[in-house]
Amino acid sequence: KAGVTQTPRYLIKTRGQQVTLSCSPISGHRSVSWYQQTPGQGLQFLFEYFSETQRNKGNFPGRFSGRQFSNSRSEMNVSTLELGDSALYLCASSLAPDYLYEQYFGPGTRLTVT
Amino acid sequence: EDKVVQSPLSLVVHEGDTVTLNCSYEVTNFRSLLWYKQEKKAPTFLFMLTSSGIEKKSGRLSSILDKKELFSILNITATQTGDSAVYLCAVENTGTASKLTFGTGTRLQVTL
Repeated sequence: KAGVTQTPRYLIKTRGQQVTLSCSPISGHRSVSWYQQTPGQGLQFLFEYFSETQRNKGNFPGRFSGRQFSNSRSEMNVSTLELGDSALYLCASSLAPDYLYEQYFGPGTRLTVT
Repeated sequence: EDKVVQSPLSLVVHEGDTVTLNCSYEVTNFRSLLWYKQEKKAPTFLFMLTSSGIEKKSGRLSSILDKKELFSILNITATQTGDSAVYLCAVENTGTASKLTFGTGTRLQVTL
């Protein structure tokens, strides 16, 4: 079956702009988590969605937001972009929140803020 | 704040060597520890550990958890060039809703 897909794969934005990233989970998966990966901080948890509800949020400012649709697809939005937001944004899906051992990651969206 | 520390940060070995990667953690409500392999972009799941002293094994890879000393090791025997990757350790915190805290990873390079 098709894996987790993320669009776009690469993105270049300037400071102050906003960006929306999309994640389509594996068919049948209802839980979607987002992570930010940078060389200095590693992989950091952003938020987790299940059944259109945000279940948990990591330690990120309010500029980072997300949502999940009824078909389990998820989007994350970053407003007022800063240079430090340049990172690889990874999305992962699983059947349900407790199925972390069956969490599959997408290829990521590489965001560059100039 | 939950914390995961991996060591070494990077290492270079020759094909056929055995390597041990370390992961120590501090987490308020531990539920599980997970290992991932990241080659290019997407991390892929290796192991999930919840109980102390029980070794998980998959081919040349194995891992064990010590919940008393708060660490885990990942062993790779008879390394191959295809094992070159970043190995990530993460701990799951139950809290009100489970989330993962990752270490910064160990970059392994296997040379011929």
